[in-house]
Amino acid sequence: GAGVSQTPSNKVTEKGKYVELRCDPISGHTALYWYRQSLGQGPEFLIYFQGTGAADDSGLPNDRFFAVRPEGSVSTLKIQRTERGDSAVYLCASSGTSGNNEQFFGPGTRLTVL
Amino acid sequence: GENVEQHPSTLSVQEGDSAVIKCTYSDSASNYFPWYKQELGKRPQLIIDIRSNVGEKKDQRIAVTLNKTAKHFSLHITETQPEDSAVYFCAASMRGAQKLVFGQGTRLTINP
Repeated sequence: GAGVSQTPSNKVTEKGKYVELRCDPISGHTALYWYRQSLGQGPEFLIYFQGTGAADDSGLPNDRFFAVRPEGSVSTLKIQRTERGDSAVYLCASSGTSGNNEQFFGPGTRLTVL
Repeated sequence: GENVEQHPSTLSVQEGDSAVIKCTYSDSASNYFPWYKQELGKRPQLIIDIRSNVGEKKDQRIAVTLNKTAKHFSLHITETQPEDSAVYFCAASMRGAQKLVFGQGTRLTINP
């Protein structure tokens, strides 16, 4: 079946603007994760959803970042008043059930804030 | 919180030789340890994982070992091939917490 998909693949925006990044998880996967990967570094956890609710949002850097998953499938990561330091690849992953199961990653959205 | 350290940051080996990448973790509650391979511009892909109830797992040319007492785990790739060239990340996940904490990555280069 189809893997995790993310749109857009690239997003260029200006400092101060608002952006939305979308993630389509593997069909039937109840868990969804957002990570951020800066150049030359490992992915850094942002937020984890189990179903519709955010089970762990401890990785969100500040209140400019917010994520939703209203129907327990597609998720949107929202960044307000973007800053140059927000530039990174934003990765989404999904897994089948609660517990330590394999996380399947999407291709990422490369965000560039000018 | 959990902290994962990965070494070396770069590794260059001759084709056919073995490569070993090592990681240490800080929290003894961690119980799941995956390894991801990431090619340039591509998504991370799981290549092997191990849970804390076993000490070693092997899949063809790839093996992972886990030492819970010392809190470290290692990736072993034997008979390396040019297509093994990539960045490899280790990660750890704590019991009851689903997030993965990643190491800093190892850039592996296989020289023909």
